[in-house]
Amino acid sequence: GAVVSQHPSRVICKSGTSVKIECRSLDFQATTMFWYRQFPKQSLMLMATSNEGSKATYEQGVEKDKFLINHASLTLSTLTVTSAHPEDSSFYICSARDSPQTSGGIKEQFFGPGTRLTVL
Amino acid sequence: GQQVMQIPQYQHVQEGEDFTTYCNSSTTLSNIQWYKQRPGGHPVFLIQLVKSGEVKKQKRLTFQFGEAKKNSSLHITATQTTDVGTYFCAVTSGTYKYIFGTGTRLKVLA
Repeated sequence: GAVVSQHPSRVICKSGTSVKIECRSLDFQATTMFWYRQFPKQSLMLMATSNEGSKATYEQGVEKDKFLINHASLTLSTLTVTSAHPEDSSFYICSARDSPQTSGGIKEQFFGPGTRLTVL
Repeated sequence: GQQVMQIPQYQHVQEGEDFTTYCNSSTTLSNIQWYKQRPGGHPVFLIQLVKSGEVKKQKRLTFQFGEAKKNSSLHITATQTTDVGTYFCAVTSGTYKYIFGTGTRLKVLA
């Protein structure tokens, strides 16, 4: 199946610093990428939808100036957590989806392994 | 907004027992997907259901889409320790977005 990588897998930073997380589709072109946040023992909460070459669409309650998303190519999307604070500590997961035509009409998402962010 | 509830929230079963999780939506769905997330891992796609009343099987897993396309179920027959994890349903909202259910965490006791 399709592979999505995420880097870094784990990051610990001081409060006030910015952290960039990369999400790459390794063997397919991702027309759409999604960014989720998952707190311990909770479900995945969609933060934003990222389409290549256009601005990301953020979910209600997600600050676009705090969570900067750049989908520069069909294989790379980045999420930057700016001025991170302890409450931003979470598991951030990206997913990617290729064209419905190439996936047989099933809009399957391929998830990256996730990035665990700890802000001290 | 659209809400997707799953019950139960947690389930502990003895190995060999059956397990079922239910997914309920407040709105009629165009399709529903199921994912499994192992502890410490990321969600892995299991299946997508599209048709009203559809039933699909994958070995010991049986997926069903309700007639009204507002609910779905995942049934595991004779659970094994490898079935441990959290099972999420996910529904599409609009053209692109996916809304995940609250999840059911399964523990299998050997």
